[in-house]
Amino acid sequence: EAGVAQSPRYKIIEKRQSVAFWCNPISGHATLYWYQQILGQGPKLLIQFQNNGVVDDSQLPKDRFSAERLKGVDSTLKIQPAKLEDSAVYLCASSLTFNEQFFGPGTRLTVL
Amino acid sequence: GESVGLHLPTLSVQEGDNSIINCAYSNSASDYFIWYKQESGKGPQFIIDIRSNMDKRQGQRVTVLLNKTVKHLSLQIAATQPGDSAVYFCAENAGNMLTFGGGTRLMVKP
Repeated sequence: EAGVAQSPRYKIIEKRQSVAFWCNPISGHATLYWYQQILGQGPKLLIQFQNNGVVDDSQLPKDRFSAERLKGVDSTLKIQPAKLEDSAVYLCASSLTFNEQFFGPGTRLTVL
Repeated sequence: GESVGLHLPTLSVQEGDNSIINCAYSNSASDYFIWYKQESGKGPQFIIDIRSNMDKRQGQRVTVLLNKTVKHLSLQIAATQPGDSAVYFCAENAGNMLTFGGGTRLMVKP
């Protein structure tokens, strides 16, 4: 079974630039999550989708972050404009049930 | 691959010994707990879970213990192997939202 795919794996941008990350979940998984993992910390949930609807985005900084999952499969997370403190690994996960989430390899973002 | 965390608590064990990784959780309403393993450059990988109506659950070489009185969770790894070297996170679920702890780095000495 193919796992969660993410791209790009690495991205370096300057502050105030924009960036987008892409996630393809495991086939058939209705629930998709985006997490932010700052170096030395555990992942923090940014947004959770059930099919193409948002279940929880209470921790998403909506002034600069946006996410969509238009057809209920792939998802894109965007940051516009980026700040230095956005430097982190952005993890995508998917699940059939809430209990077991499968994580992708992440995108490592460096903001200079 | 890149390092998962540079300033995490570290547990160093000899290959073949047992490892115990501890975690304190914060929300008394949490009803489900998971341990994840994260290797450098990879996403977290599910190891074992436990519901709040249990105090112990065993898997292959791993055991999770839950003490709700003091809000404490532990992961025991039997006969630790070099492949067990990674960062381990506990996560608690309340209201269908997972909150991760800070992580512990496990280093296995050959």
